[in-house]
Amino acid sequence: EPEVTQTPSHQVTQMGQEVILRCVPISNHLYFYWYRQILGQKVEFLVSFYNNEISEKSEIFDDQFSVERPDGSNFTLKIRSTKLEDSAMYFCASSDRRGGGTQYFGPGTRLLVL
Amino acid sequence: GEDVEQSLFLSVREGDSSVINCTYTDSSSTYLYWYKQEPGAGLQLLTYIFSNMDMKQDQRLTVLLNKKDKHLSLRIADTQTGDSAIYFCAEKSNTGKLIFGQGTTLQVKP
Repeated sequence: EPEVTQTPSHQVTQMGQEVILRCVPISNHLYFYWYRQILGQKVEFLVSFYNNEISEKSEIFDDQFSVERPDGSNFTLKIRSTKLEDSAMYFCASSDRRGGGTQYFGPGTRLLVL
Repeated sequence: GEDVEQSLFLSVREGDSSVINCTYTDSSSTYLYWYKQEPGAGLQLLTYIFSNMDMKQDQRLTVLLNKKDKHLSLRIADTQTGDSAIYFCAEKSNTGKLIFGQGTTLQVKP
């Protein structure tokens, strides 16, 4: 069964460093998403991406964040200068349709900023 | 604004039924979802219901939707220890993003 994959599974970084989180969505999916879950809190929407453009972004997704689909398979989330409060589990998801499509989630990347 | 609320914790005995409840605010939501998260793992889609349905059954899982009260529930029949996890309710907004509840931790005692 096709699945969303994410790398790395864990990342530890120093405050102020740049991190890139990688995702490989399900191959025939066209809509891509990033969510994050701070420990003990709700899963929060960050950004959605379609046709090489951001469709929607939340207030959390400020200028420090960017997304890219550098090739036909990868979907990346970059945090330019990490802050302590960026420590969270980051989930990538993909779907084949926006409205009726179910979002399938990857296993997540646990980011720890020291 | 859009919001989804769930109770935080439920404890049941193995073999009993579990009922996890959720309320949401966005009456225009077309799909509502239940995801399961085991410790250290990602979000596994369990089931979903379209907003024009009242009920959906899938093996041990039954989803009930009361659209008037904006109330969603997930019933797990014959709950097993392997069902112990965090269960997230989510509504899909009209822009496609999912809005999650805070998750209900289900503890199944042998």
